[in-house]
Amino acid sequence: DAGITQSPRHKVTETGTPVTLRCHQTENHRYMYWYRQDPGHGLRLIHYSYGVKDTDKGEVSDGYSVSRSKTEDFLLTLESATSSQTSVYFCAINEENKGHNEQFFGPGTRLTVL
Amino acid sequence: GNSVTQMEGPVTLSEEAFLTINCTYTATGYPSLFWYVQYPGEGLQLLLKATKADDKGSNKGFEATYRKETTSFHLEKGSVQVSDSAVYFCALSDSGGYQKVTFGTGTKLQVIP
Repeated sequence: DAGITQSPRHKVTETGTPVTLRCHQTENHRYMYWYRQDPGHGLRLIHYSYGVKDTDKGEVSDGYSVSRSKTEDFLLTLESATSSQTSVYFCAINEENKGHNEQFFGPGTRLTVL
Repeated sequence: GNSVTQMEGPVTLSEEAFLTINCTYTATGYPSLFWYVQYPGEGLQLLLKATKADDKGSNKGFEATYRKETTSFHLEKGSVQVSDSAVYFCALSDSGGYQKVTFGTGTKLQVIP
């Protein structure tokens, strides 16, 4: 258990509203990731972080921003939610001591944008 | 760039049948290869991994062999159970920085009694 929690677990919001999802880890891992999961697309990387205040874009970053002000928290923000952002969002960490980029995932947040 | 291609699902099998889920990859260098499993309503869990050519990863009766010559990492199990019903993802991570992983689109397996 890599000690990853996500909040909220479910959220319904309206188009145009801002939304922030939180990922929290308890084991001081350096690397953290946000993915979205959609049918037919598998998991796609939105943003990732390699340390406090060190973040970079993934393959589907448009419409999303992230922040990491503490090692344990990685926030994903939808500045103005759109229906195309309805998805299941997963946070992951990389357990560096295991090597070979082995990632562990949180339980997910199901977001519905009406 | 890196990519992973896995067979389309869903795959429906009877209990105790033999399972193969095909996975091929494109990557530079010498990637590590993974299979993840996702049970309904849950996040992904690492099922097995292989870090170099000809390595065999195994766990819970599942196996996959890293074949560099065919750039493949097919998942197999000799006798599936109803409890194996899940979505299976093939993935790779190359030797570059930032520890990023590329996932396939997933294959849903349904095992019927």
